[in-house]
Amino acid sequence: GIQVEQSPPDLILQEGANSTLRCNFSDSVNNLQWFHQNPWGQLINLFYIPSGTKQNGRLSATTVATERYSLLYISSSQTTDSGVYFCAATQNFVFGPGTRLSVLP
Amino acid sequence: DTEVTQTPKHLVMGMTNKKSLKCEQHMGHRAMYWYKQKAKKPPELMFVYSYEKLSINESVPSRFSPECPNSSLLNLHLHALQPEDSALYLCASSHMSNRARYRGQFFGPGTRLTVL
Repeated sequence: GIQVEQSPPDLILQEGANSTLRCNFSDSVNNLQWFHQNPWGQLINLFYIPSGTKQNGRLSATTVATERYSLLYISSSQTTDSGVYFCAATQNFVFGPGTRLSVLP
Repeated sequence: DTEVTQTPKHLVMGMTNKKSLKCEQHMGHRAMYWYKQKAKKPPELMFVYSYEKLSINESVPSRFSPECPNSSLLNLHLHALQPEDSALYLCASSHMSNRARYRGQFFGPGTRLTVL
């Protein structure tokens, strides 16, 4: 089945910094999603991005399906961005292991 | 309404108890899902319902019994659970994945279950 990898596993930022999270997948996927899991466990839908680039406020994502990777950009990070970021091939029900982000004040 | 709701938020139960988790969505989605998430791990699929019929069961023990009474509701009945079943149980819904209007899965806030 499809394998999904994420890097880095952990990331610590100072408030206001920018970051890039990466997701690699082992086979072609049609349905990549990025989620943010907050400290209370809620999985928040950030992007459904099978290909191309999307932006939503300080967040943007790019998926290059032919090269089997996706990137999530966080600009001007805030403490409320802390949590775990998952990418997932949801049509295949496969999640990556997550990137744990801590934004320090 | 773009929300998936789950009740209860927290549940503590003994190994001999019977309890149920509930999930509801009003987005017109015809696919609904149960996932289990252990601490510091990604969610793992348990069950998929498509048009109110069970379409995927990921070899889940029979002490977990799903039910889909209608297109908006999904239940997970729990009986004779073990302490290792303690986890966050997440419900999700989506349009059917083979449809053009599929936009990914939308998750509820989860039920945090503790089995004593």
